[in-house]
Amino acid sequence: SQKIEQNSEALNIQEGKTATLTCNYTNYSPAYLQWYRQDPGRGPVFLLLIRENEKEKRKERLKVTFDTTLKQSLFHITASQPADSATYLCALERSGGYQKVTFGIGTKLQVIP
Amino acid sequence: EPEVTQTPSHQVTQMGQEVILRCVPISNHLYFYWYRQILGQKVEFLVSFYNNEISEKSEIFDDQFSVERPDGSNFTLKIRSTKLEDSAMYFCASQPGTSTGELFFGEGSRLTVL
Repeated sequence: SQKIEQNSEALNIQEGKTATLTCNYTNYSPAYLQWYRQDPGRGPVFLLLIRENEKEKRKERLKVTFDTTLKQSLFHITASQPADSATYLCALERSGGYQKVTFGIGTKLQVIP
Repeated sequence: EPEVTQTPSHQVTQMGQEVILRCVPISNHLYFYWYRQILGQKVEFLVSFYNNEISEKSEIFDDQFSVERPDGSNFTLKIRSTKLEDSAMYFCASQPGTSTGELFFGEGSRLTVL
């Protein structure tokens, strides 16, 4: 069955360092891979989308890589700040457009001042 | 900035009661979704809706659930006879009519079934 794996353990990182979060998937051929941020009790907020034919995408301090051979995406936050503390969700969408987006459980990031 | 709004923010109900959760998607969006998140678990897909009909639904979305877009602005999720295990945060989301893939989520409705 299709599976999206994220490290469900919390990631603690010192302020100013680069946080790297991992998303692995199996039995899936996504057209898009997305990353969302979720704060406690709030709805997910879209951060970045990367297509299957793209290797890397950047937005300000965020960088996403997508390796369809390894079936893995890495999400980096450079120069991390305490305000970056949240749960980060990996999400996959199948090809064909407007298909359901399937989420991983998320990784909780804590940036320590 | 346009946003998806959901009401109520929190609803407490007795088991077996009907519940209606309401959503106002972003006005020019064409695709609408309901997701739920049980406390401590992942965000799970329930149903997608396009052109006034369900386009896809998950195995969670059984006969107890229904969706409606009654007036061109609201998008509702009805649970006919709530069960304890329906307690969760329910999120509405919408997408514009371009294949960006990005979902715009509301802040959620927390449902507590006693």
